[in-house]
Amino acid sequence: AQSVTQLDSHVSVSEGTPVLLRCNYSSSYSPSLFWYVQHPNKGLQLLLKYTSAATLVKGINGFEAEFKKSETSFHLTKPSAHMSDAAEYFCVVSDSGGYQKVTFGTGTKLQVIP
Amino acid sequence: DAGVIQSPRHEVTEMGQEVTLRCKPISGHDYLFWYRQTMMRGLELLIYFNNNVPIDDSGMPEDRFSAKMPNASFSTLKIQPSEPRDSAVYFCASSFETDTQYFGPGTRLTVL
Repeated sequence: AQSVTQLDSHVSVSEGTPVLLRCNYSSSYSPSLFWYVQHPNKGLQLLLKYTSAATLVKGINGFEAEFKKSETSFHLTKPSAHMSDAAEYFCVVSDSGGYQKVTFGTGTKLQVIP
Repeated sequence: DAGVIQSPRHEVTEMGQEVTLRCKPISGHDYLFWYRQTMMRGLELLIYFNNNVPIDDSGMPEDRFSAKMPNASFSTLKIQPSEPRDSAVYFCASSFETDTQYFGPGTRLTVL
């Protein structure tokens, strides 16, 4: 069985300061992990994904995430927040082995204060 | 590629009516997924297809919901009869083999 926990439902940062969105996962197999972003009234867009290659994954718009197996974490970071980063972010886990059934976290809403 | 295409983008209907949501996956993708998103329950996987065959429909809430994929480029999600609690945003996504899922823009359904 797989699960994912996003530890914060809301995060507020000032423009230009670092962003940290936390995600912990549980998986029976070697997982694939993803971060998606959803802007208001839009679909979900892939930010980045981890699939057992490099543990530090770089994504679009300056975001990156580090896979830490010992901590079962996959936190999303960005050095400097931009106003356009305000959105909801979803951490997603998928057990490897051919299954396509993924599990979404409950989402973290990021607010960026000017 | 145009990405995943969903229609309509918005649908308002009255309780008891039939609703059909449509999805065109990315060409060449062999998996197709239907999700529902609500404030209360977040994102839920309803059903997914592989090579046009339904693989897992355990997320379909009731018999009022049905989904078909008659060919590789088209899928429908039907609700009959619709109820107010079906109001949500319905997303379609597609992927190639076990790779990343790409989402459509969603259909916002309101059942009055």
